[in-house]
Amino acid sequence: ETGVTQSPTHLIKTRGQQVTLRCSSQSGHNTVSWYQQALGQGPQFIFQYYREEENGRGNFPPRFSGLQFPNYSSELNVNALELDDSALYLCASSLASSGSLETQYFGPGTRLLVL
Amino acid sequence: GEDVEQSLFLSVREGDSSVINCTYTDSSSTYLYWYKQEPGAGLQLLTYIFSNMDMKQDQRLTVLLNKKDKHLSLRIADTQTGDSAIYFCAESITPSNTGKLIFGQGTTLQVKP
Repeated sequence: ETGVTQSPTHLIKTRGQQVTLRCSSQSGHNTVSWYQQALGQGPQFIFQYYREEENGRGNFPPRFSGLQFPNYSSELNVNALELDDSALYLCASSLASSGSLETQYFGPGTRLLVL
Repeated sequence: GEDVEQSLFLSVREGDSSVINCTYTDSSSTYLYWYKQEPGAGLQLLTYIFSNMDMKQDQRLTVLLNKKDKHLSLRIADTQTGDSAIYFCAESITPSNTGKLIFGQGTTLQVKP
């Protein structure tokens, strides 16, 4: 069983640019959630994807968007980058099925620095 | 509203017990989790408790839940230097347990030899 993987591990961008972060779910999982963790803070929920559709969104502007693919991997896209977007971006996968515990397992994260 | 609070820092000596505390505000929480984050790494799930339980033990870890006071604690017995990390408590409030986790700001545990 493979765990959650994310790429790239580190990224440096400048203000106004666009970025795409990638996540591969743990084997057998069908749901992906994305979180932003600013330095010294707990993770903040961005959104979740289930069966290729957005299934809940946190308090993030529309320039944060995502995709989930048929193999359940996922992308997080951020347009018009701002300095405050500098953070660790975490992806978590889980298995959504009725009546069962759907624990989220996290990847190692992508550290984004916006200059 | 949704809010999870933790104390920011705890220092213990190797071999002692550590107790990390957390309070949450949403009474509809269904599952409560403890995650561990080592420097430069993602989050590792340590344990979880369902909201209709008041205690769960898993090897060196004991989770206590006081639902009336909305208080959750994680006790680590025989704390080791390898336990040094940031510990996050998180709540899941949606009935089906899909959707977001609400995290606290994390407690840094320092274990002195």
